[in-house]
Amino acid sequence: AQSVTQLGSHVSVSEGALVLLRCNYSSSVPPYLFWYVQYPNQGLQLLLKYTSAATLVKGINGFEAEFKKSETSFHLTKPSAHMSDAAEYFCAVSTPNTGNQFYFGTGTSLTVIP
Amino acid sequence: DADVTQTPRNRITKTGKRIMLECSQTKGHDRMYWYRQDPGLGLRLIYYSFDVKDINKGEISDGYSVSRQAQAKFSLSLESAIPNQTALYFCATSDPGAGGNQPQHFGDGTRLSIL
Repeated sequence: AQSVTQLGSHVSVSEGALVLLRCNYSSSVPPYLFWYVQYPNQGLQLLLKYTSAATLVKGINGFEAEFKKSETSFHLTKPSAHMSDAAEYFCAVSTPNTGNQFYFGTGTSLTVIP
Repeated sequence: DADVTQTPRNRITKTGKRIMLECSQTKGHDRMYWYRQDPGLGLRLIYYSFDVKDINKGEISDGYSVSRQAQAKFSLSLESAIPNQTALYFCATSDPGAGGNQPQHFGDGTRLSIL
């Protein structure tokens, strides 16, 4: 079965500091991995995806994530936090052998301190 | 205009009422999904449909039903609403793609409160 664990339900960083949001997955087959962002009163917006090409994936708004098979991780980073990055972030896993259903983590709320 | 439109955006109703949440999309995707979001629990899949004739239960389908009226329309019903169905509900769509590796695209959600 597939599952996703996001360590830290709340993360606070200072404006300009590194953002690191953690995601570990469990999958018996090579996964597809996604990061989404949710701003207040909005739906989920795709930040980036890993689909078995390059292990370092660049997304929108300066975010990137690295797929590490040995660590079963797909952590999201951004070198310098901006106030507009404050939001809820979700990691999701999908695999062909589960009909490509998405399994979401419980989310990480990012606060950016001025 | 939004690619995935959910109506209503907000709904307050009473226990025992029948509720229908509607979703329409202009993305031309075959696959559609209904999720509910609860604080601290992330998103959980209620039902999904890979085409008009295909309906599948998700992780938490009890107390819910769906109808796929057309490729572009997928509605979620609560036959007799109960307070623990109070949540934020999302509709999503996706293209099967190559090997099913395509992202899902979400509507802005329906905030449902059951008193």
